[in-house]
Amino acid sequence: RKEVEQDPGPFNVPEGATVAFNCTYSNSASQSFFWYRQDCRKEPKLLMSVYSSGNEDGRFTAQLNRASQYISLLIRDSKLSDSATYLCVVNKDSDYKLSFGAGTTVTVRA
Amino acid sequence: DAGITQSPRHKVTETGTPVTLRCHQTENHRYMYWYRQDPGHGLRLIHYSYGVKDTDKGEVSDGYSVSRSKTEDFLLTLESATSSQTSVYFCAISPTGDNSNQPQHFGDGTRLSIL
Repeated sequence: RKEVEQDPGPFNVPEGATVAFNCTYSNSASQSFFWYRQDCRKEPKLLMSVYSSGNEDGRFTAQLNRASQYISLLIRDSKLSDSATYLCVVNKDSDYKLSFGAGTTVTVRA
Repeated sequence: DAGITQSPRHKVTETGTPVTLRCHQTENHRYMYWYRQDPGHGLRLIHYSYGVKDTDKGEVSDGYSVSRSKTEDFLLTLESATSSQTSVYFCAISPTGDNSNQPQHFGDGTRLSIL
């Protein structure tokens, strides 16, 4: 079983729509969770950290469900510029080692 | 953007040749990492460094070696490149090992093709 699993998508949504997707992780001892964004042929960039109580950053909302071992990302009022692959990232047994999901691709159409 | 420069950005080489990729940072961060990214896989850690001359293996270290003689430079070497090492290689840095407060930041990547 992969340490971090994501639905690869693609999620094709119109501008202004809401899109949400999850990521599951296998290590119940994981403490740090992140969403990174990766544009085509570019480097991953940190989108947001995910906190236990859930958190928002503008149009983006992240949630953590420790009992079921998944995190989620919701994008409201989608923009064309939100088209990207979203990587779910979870720490391993030590903080400086991270496990990356293969990514969920979101395409926002006009 | 974090001050990370990877070189070369693209390279095509032949099986059996040695290849060295360079990661240079201007942030004076202690931790540096090399990952590879392949279709259908998340980024996978090859090697990492937690200080000058302090390195350790990641999950896919076979066929790779690293060196860190200065804080700012982390080199990844493929001693004898194989086609299975065709990939996109990313360097990442973080000031400490505590990803909860200071997540890793990535360089632009190196696209390596081994024929």
